Amino acid sequence: GIQVEQSPPDLILQEGANSTLRCNFSDSVNNLQWFHQNPWGQLINLFYIPSGTKQNGRLSATTVATERYSLLYISSSQTTDSGVYFCAVLTSGTYKYIFGTGTRLKVLA
Amino acid sequence: NAGVTQTPKFQVLKTGQSMTLQCAQDMNHNSMYWYRQDPGMGLRLIYYSASEGTTDKGEVPNGYNVSRLNKREFSLRLESAAPSQTSVYFCASRTSGGYNEQFFGPGTRLTVL
Repeated sequence: GIQVEQSPPDLILQEGANSTLRCNFSDSVNNLQWFHQNPWGQLINLFYIPSGTKQNGRLSATTVATERYSLLYISSSQTTDSGVYFCAVLTSGTYKYIFGTGTRLKVLA
Repeated sequence: NAGVTQTPKFQVLKTGQSMTLQCAQDMNHNSMYWYRQDPGMGLRLIYYSASEGTTDKGEVPNGYNVSRLNKREFSLRLESAAPSQTSVYFCASRTSGGYNEQFFGPGTRLTVL
C-alpha cells in the first residue's frame, strides 16, 4: 500500500521563525489534507490540497502531485502553532485515508 | 452546525467489558470513518462507511464492529475490551463530490484496565 512519510519528525522554533514541513507519498493520490493537532488533541483542518498552492494567513501549502510530495510553510511562527502536523492522503478509487507519522512542532516564546 | 460529535468524551473499562462509541454528523456527508490514535502516533483507520448502508474494514479492524445506523450516525462497538485497545478514538466524516475534505470529531479517550 501507499507509504506516507513526514519530515522532520520534531522541530523546535523560536517565536517569529519560519519553517517548512514535508510530506512524501509513494503513489499517486487524488486527495491530500494537512491537519494540525493542538496540545488538547483536537484535529484542525488546515488545507485540502491535492495539487497546487494555497495560502491562509501565515500558513501556505504546496502539493506537487507528479513528484509525490507536499510542503506546509509556517511563517512568523507563534506559540499557538505548537502541536503535531499531519498530512493524510487518499488514492484514487478508495475511501481509505493514510496518515503520515506527523511532525511535532514546539514554538518557544 | 455542530459538525461531528462524539460521545462519551472519556471512558474507563475493565478487560472483557463491552461498550459502544457514538458518532453523529450534521453536515449531510455520505462517508464516515473511525480511527484510533495511540500515544505519540499517527491515526490508523479502523472502519469506514462510504455511504449509508455500507461498511468496510480499514487497517486495524480486529476487535471492533461498526454500525451505520443512518446517514448521520456511525457507531463503533468493542465487544470484549482489551488493554491493547486503550487509545483515543476519532470519528470523521467527509464531503462528497469533487471536493473531498474530511472533518474530525473531538475524540473519545478510552482506557482499558
